[in-house]
Amino acid sequence: EVRLLESGRGLVQPGGSLRLSCAASGFTFTNYAMSWVRQVPGKGLEWVSTISGSDGGTFYPDSVKGRFTISRDNSKNTAYLQMTSLRAEDTAVYYCARIATSATYGLFEYWGQGALVTVSS
Amino acid sequence: DIVMTQSPDSLALSLGERASINCKSSQTVLHSSNNKNYLAWYQQKPGQPPKLVMYWASIRESGVPDRFTGSGSGTDFTLTISSLQTEDVAVYYCQQYYTTPYTFGQGTQLEIK
Repeated sequence: EVRLLESGRGLVQPGGSLRLSCAASGFTFTNYAMSWVRQVPGKGLEWVSTISGSDGGTFYPDSVKGRFTISRDNSKNTAYLQMTSLRAEDTAVYYCARIATSATYGLFEYWGQGALVTVSS
Repeated sequence: DIVMTQSPDSLALSLGERASINCKSSQTVLHSSNNKNYLAWYQQKPGQPPKLVMYWASIRESGVPDRFTGSGSGTDFTLTISSLQTEDVAVYYCQQYYTTPYTFGQGTQLEIK
């Protein structure tokens, strides 16, 4: 059974930093790209980042490029999202998601339960 | 960016009725190299993460009941639930994975009347 468990949720001041972790189990971690998708409570979904399974290639939308960094530690079966220069509009539930296959980088097949990040003074 | 627009924003139907949710993309998500539509549907119930229900526009994810059907090509797509059940109450999102940034529709709230 595929399981994704996010951690690192919290309250941070504007301009601050926070790192989320996503512990994966139930599949061969190195074989799959991983992503983060966020959702403002009560609102829609926004893709935040993707990292490939093998070569570590990363992808971001313009809204977070230069501020967020996705990474992974294949020895720990864990993906990370380092968030810096946080803004109030980054307040959201952040979901870790596993990509379906190497041919479908934007298809989010499995999702974690999410981690709430609140940016407020 | 590809903009995904869903209609309606909300839908209230009786049990057993047919539900149809529409999704329109601002540009094609049909890839000419493989003739596949890079379009997915997700179901999100209250307090839960989204769940993948349909991909390649018309392929049901494993375990999804066959009352769910996806159709369409190019820029216009539909998710149909043939006979609405209580457990289908959720917000449904379409999403394109044709190109980055991957984008979602605004969501359609499906309720029981």
